[in-house]
Amino acid sequence: DTGVSQDPRHKITKRGQNVTFRCDPISEHNRLYWYRQTLGQGPEFLTYFQNEAQLEKSRLLSDRFSAERPKGSFSTLEIQRTEQGDSAMYLCASSLGGGIAKNIQYFGAGTRLSVL
Amino acid sequence: KNEVEQSPQNLTAQEGEFITINCSYSVGISALHWLQQHPGGGIVSLFMLSSGKKKHGRLIATINIQEKHSSLHITASHPRDSAVYICAVSGNTPLVFGKGTRLSVIA
Repeated sequence: DTGVSQDPRHKITKRGQNVTFRCDPISEHNRLYWYRQTLGQGPEFLTYFQNEAQLEKSRLLSDRFSAERPKGSFSTLEIQRTEQGDSAMYLCASSLGGGIAKNIQYFGAGTRLSVL
Repeated sequence: KNEVEQSPQNLTAQEGEFITINCSYSVGISALHWLQQHPGGGIVSLFMLSSGKKKHGRLIATINIQEKHSSLHITASHPRDSAVYICAVSGNTPLVFGKGTRLSVIA
């Protein structure tokens, strides 16, 4: 499978715990994006990487959230001291980047987080 | 006011009907995307367009840059078309999404 893969697919955690999600983009894609989607809403941008550099972060990304892409390949999104409001689907996408035609984003299946 | 507005929010159609979903946006864009999301969360990119019209199978997407409006049409709808259809716009990089239109096609 050469698509975007996310792990785990589902995560149930207790409030206050830390969680980490992983995203493996399509191998030749330079750009990697994280989005969050709550029930009944469209996805919202969290952050994106160009190779290993984190180029933009949304104001939605509080201090409890951190994302890394250490070698410009896979990325991790960590949420510390989870809150019930963090319950959502976390989506990862990747694209070639470098111009409009190369900016089609391919999405993973998402990680659904439930904070109890 | 959201930067990307979709209508309708929910749509129920009989199999075979012609379906139109609308998207209006209020910001300058470089491209508009139509995405399909099935239950369980997976998102598939259907179209990316910056002008005119694109067609893929029974799906047609149009955009009017001057009016900042796009439509997604589905001809001869089928129950397997049931999904949430999301409009998103891109400036330089991150996408801004509409809330989606939930389509149910009944046999």
